[in-house]
Amino acid sequence: GNSVTQMEGPVTLSEEAFLTINCTYTATGYPSLFWYVQYPGEGLQLLLKATKADDKGSNKGFEATYRKETTSFHLEKGSVQVSDSAVYFCALRPPSGTYKYIFGTGTRLKVLA
Amino acid sequence: GAGVSQSPRYKVAKRGQDVALRCDPISGHVSLFWYQQALGQGPEFLTYFQNEAQLDKSGLPSDRFFAERPEGSVSTLKIQRTQQEDSAVYLCASSLVGAGTTNSNQPQHFGDGTRLSIL
Repeated sequence: GNSVTQMEGPVTLSEEAFLTINCTYTATGYPSLFWYVQYPGEGLQLLLKATKADDKGSNKGFEATYRKETTSFHLEKGSVQVSDSAVYFCALRPPSGTYKYIFGTGTRLKVLA
Repeated sequence: GAGVSQSPRYKVAKRGQDVALRCDPISGHVSLFWYQQALGQGPEFLTYFQNEAQLDKSGLPSDRFFAERPEGSVSTLKIQRTQQEDSAVYLCASSLVGAGTTNSNQPQHFGDGTRLSIL
């Protein structure tokens, strides 16, 4: 079946540190991949997406590359800020024919000033 | 409105009571999703509407859960005879196009959710 596995948190970093949050997936065919961010008390917001192998999604300094060979979609940012503190969810949408997004369990990021 | 609106933001009910949760999607959005998010977990799919048609309700945990979207806009998720395990945040999301269309990778826009606590 389809699934998403994220690294467990919390991840605690100092401001301006480099961030990596690992995400691997299991799916048949070529799913679309997403990163969502959730701030306290709010719903999820789309951060970035990639719809085919080797695509790189990017937004607000965050990047993730769709790696078919390693079935991964790791989230990276070169220099985190305190305002990046949130929970990050990796998600996949299976290939056409279904609309059930599969979300990971989320990784909490804490950035200290 | 500018975004997906859910009400109430918080709901406390006694075990056995019925509750109704409302979702106002972004105007004109065809797709509407309901998710259940347990504490410390990711959202779990409950059901999907394309306009007024409920195309998938396979994620609803039991027959106590019922969702409708009679006019293809506002949706209501109803839970009958609530149990403690129903305590969670219920998220609604909408998307511009139908999920089976060419541009079905259009993003889902989420509301802030309803936090349901069953005592």
